Formats: sequence, structure tokens, C-alpha cells
Amino acid sequence: KNEVEQSPQNLTAQEGEFITINCSYSVGISALHWLQQHPGGGIVSLFMLSSGKKKHGRLIATINIQEKHSSLHITASHPRDSAVYICAAHGGSQGNLIFGKGTKLSVKP
Amino acid sequence: EPEVTQTPSHQVTQMGQEVILRCVPISNHLYFYWYRQILGQKVEFLVSFYNNEISEKSEIFDDQFSVERPDGSNFTLKIRSTKLEDSAMYFCASRAGGSIGWTQYFGPGTRLLVL
Repeated sequence: KNEVEQSPQNLTAQEGEFITINCSYSVGISALHWLQQHPGGGIVSLFMLSSGKKKHGRLIATINIQEKHSSLHITASHPRDSAVYICAAHGGSQGNLIFGKGTKLSVKP
Repeated sequence: EPEVTQTPSHQVTQMGQEVILRCVPISNHLYFYWYRQILGQKVEFLVSFYNNEISEKSEIFDDQFSVERPDGSNFTLKIRSTKLEDSAMYFCASRAGGSIGWTQYFGPGTRLLVL
């Protein structure tokens, strides 16, 4: 059974800080997703990656397949980045996702 | 920009009643999903749907649950006889498919409360 673990569970940062959220998974996967869940509950896909690194604006996601580990970095954090960040792995051939518990990020001005 | 829509946004029902949650996926997408999130817990996979049939389902998706795509645009989740523990946020998602269509697009969710 594939499990997805995230750390930390909660993270408080000052505006401008560099933030790292970690994700590890227990079995081989075809891809890993990073998603953002807003306070109202809506979920937005940030990245899907199966190797290496991807960058979008101030967000960077990396994955190490051999170590079964991925990280999400936020550079120059801003209060509007405050949200829950979730990593999720492909759990089946149809692409259904197995979610981690999420990391609640709060960025203070 | 195309988006996934869900109705209703909130639903309150009595235990034992049937509910139907509706989703309109993005129009050219081929794969459809239902997930749920019990308050304070992680999002859980319920079922995936492709080519007009269920392709995978989780242990949660028992005989009380059913899905269908009645008219080529709507994608519905029916809970036949609701239980208190069915109270959760239900998310629909869709993706395009193909070698580059793995990103899932989520609807805003339906918050179901069973009393």
C-alpha cells in the first residue's frame, strides 16, 4: 500500500523567507503532484513531476526517484502563499491520487 | 479558462436519504474522479471513471455509492442511503489523458452534511 508522508505538518514563516516542504512515499510511483488547497477548500494543481526539477515563478519542485523523496520550495515567501500544500502520488494506472496530509503554511507580513 | 464546476456547493441531508452530487468536467477531458475530504483529514480517492465505466475504486466506494455520466457532460456521484460518516467535502476532478494530460483539475467541492 502506498503511503505519502509530508513534513512539517505546520509551518509559520516571515514574509521573504525561503520555505521548504518535504514529501516521501513508500513505493514506486510514476509521478508525484504538488497541490495547493486554499482556506475555502479549493484545490489547485501546482506541479506534476516524475524526475528532476520544475519551476513556476517563485515555486520550485524537485524529486529524487531513488530516494522516494520530493520537495517543494517557495522563494521570497509572501502572505498570499498562505495555504495548505499537499503532495500526492499516482496510486493506480488511471492516475488516481494518493494524498499526503498536507502542510499548513502561514506567512506573516 | 475552462474549469470544473460542481453543484450544489453545500447540501444538508438526513441520515438514510439519497443524495446526488453533480459535476461538469472540462469538456475535452476523458478521465474523471471523485475524492472526498472529511473535515480535518486528508483527501481520499473514491473512484475513477473512463470510457463510460468505473476504472478504479477505493475501499470507501462501497455499494452505497454509484457514479454515472448520463449525458456526456455531467458526472454524478450518488450516495444511496447516507450515513453520518459520509459528511465531508466531495471533490470532482478531471484530466485530459494522453501522454501530457496527467494534471487533474479540481472542482470547488460540495460540502455534504448528514444529520
